[in-house]
Amino acid sequence: AQTVTQSQPEMSVQEAETVTLSCTYDTSESDYYLFWYKQPPSRQMILVIRQEAYKQQNATENRFSVNFQKAAKSFSLKISDSQLGDAAMYFCAYESGGGADGLTFGKGTHLIIQP
Amino acid sequence: DAGVIQSPRHEVTEMGQEVTLRCKPISGHNSLFWYRQTMMRGLELLIYFNNNVPIDDSGMPEDRFSAKMPNASFSTLKIQPSEPRDSAVYFCASSLQGGRNQPQHFGDGTRLSIL
Repeated sequence: AQTVTQSQPEMSVQEAETVTLSCTYDTSESDYYLFWYKQPPSRQMILVIRQEAYKQQNATENRFSVNFQKAAKSFSLKISDSQLGDAAMYFCAYESGGGADGLTFGKGTHLIIQP
Repeated sequence: DAGVIQSPRHEVTEMGQEVTLRCKPISGHNSLFWYRQTMMRGLELLIYFNNNVPIDDSGMPEDRFSAKMPNASFSTLKIQPSEPRDSAVYFCASSLQGGRNQPQHFGDGTRLSIL
C-alpha cells in the first residue's frame, strides 16, 4: 500500500516571501501521479498542482511549483510571493497510474501567512 | 460548467437515524469517489465507482455504510444506523478516466454531525 507523509503540521511565512512544504511518499509502482490540494477554511478541496511521475520536468502553476525527486520519493511544493489568500491546509496526495483509483492523502500542513 | 454538487451541506441528526448523502458528479466524468475527513484520520477513501460500477469498497468502515450509483449523474452514501463516531466531513469527487488519469474534482462536502 502507498503512504504519503507530510512532516510539517504547520508552517508560517511572511507575506511576499517564499515557503516550501515537504512531502514524501512510499510506493513500489513506477507509474503514478502526485498532487497538491489546498483546503481553505471554507473546506473546499482545490487542486493546486499535478505531477505525472514519468515526466522529469517539474510542474509549475503561476506562483506554485514543485520539486519532484523520483528516486528520493520526494514531492515538495514551493509557493513564491506568498499572499494572504494562500493561508490554508495543504494536502499532498498520491494516485496510482494504473487506471481509475482513489487518492492517498498526507495528514496536511497548515500554512499561516503573516501580514 | 457546474462542479461536483453535494447535498446537504450540513446534516445534524441523532444517533440511530438513517443518513443519506447525495452527490452529482461533473457531467461526462466516469469515475466517482467518496472520501471522509476527520481530525484523527485525515482524508480517507471510502469507495469509488467507475462507469457506475463499484470498484473498491475496502475503505467502507462497516456494514452500516453503503453506497450506490444508479446512473452516471447521481450517487448516494448511506449510513444506517448512524453513530456519533460517524461525525465527519464527507466529500464526493469525480474525474474522467481513460488513458491518462485526469485530476479529481471535489464537491464542497457534507458536514455530518451525529448527536
